[in-house]
Amino acid sequence: DAKTTQPPSMDCAEGRAANLPCNHSTISGNEYVYWYRQIHSQGPQYIIHGLKNNETNEMASLIITEDRKSSTLILPHATLRDTAVYYCMFSTGTSYGKLTFGQGTILTVHP
Amino acid sequence: SAVISQKPSRDICQRGTSLTIQCQVDSQVTMMFWYRQQPGQSLTLIATANQGSEATYESGFVIDKFPISRPNLTFSTLTVSNMSPEDSSIYLCSVEDQTVIGELFFGEGSRLTVL
Repeated sequence: DAKTTQPPSMDCAEGRAANLPCNHSTISGNEYVYWYRQIHSQGPQYIIHGLKNNETNEMASLIITEDRKSSTLILPHATLRDTAVYYCMFSTGTSYGKLTFGQGTILTVHP
Repeated sequence: SAVISQKPSRDICQRGTSLTIQCQVDSQVTMMFWYRQQPGQSLTLIATANQGSEATYESGFVIDKFPISRPNLTFSTLTVSNMSPEDSSIYLCSVEDQTVIGELFFGEGSRLTVL
């Protein structure tokens, strides 16, 4: 199974950047890093994914180390609505959505 | 994007009974996925539902306990059979974006409590 390691919890002040780390040392060369989040009582929501290069979209930025063994999800200006569990995963992407969710990081954004 | 509707949103069930959860998608999708989220836990993939063929189950999940139907490209059901309190969970249906591999859309989930 694809295993990732994330801190169980993190805090962030509203308006500041939230940097969520993830270790995925067993990732293969053709596997993408995916980030999802789950706000309380909702289904998970896709955030971003990447292979080698750093990626940015309207929600977040993804920084992947050169050896691809770890990555960081950056929420540039965290809001209270970003309080959620953040999951980091990796997958070939060709497994038709077979994503293995780890325990994730509970991010709490406080005023 | 895809909009996914699940029914029921929540239910309280008696031990030994079975409950069928419905998942409706607003567009045709090749594969649908069923996940379970036990209280305070992460998500675990139960099975992948393919239209026109039997579902593919993950290790630890069997068809007798979690029969799945996929009659067309927009609909699927998951039945939780002979329920016990250990089956109390949120069951989530998801589909893959047709353009972004690995981007899944999830329904809001069906919260089952088994007494």
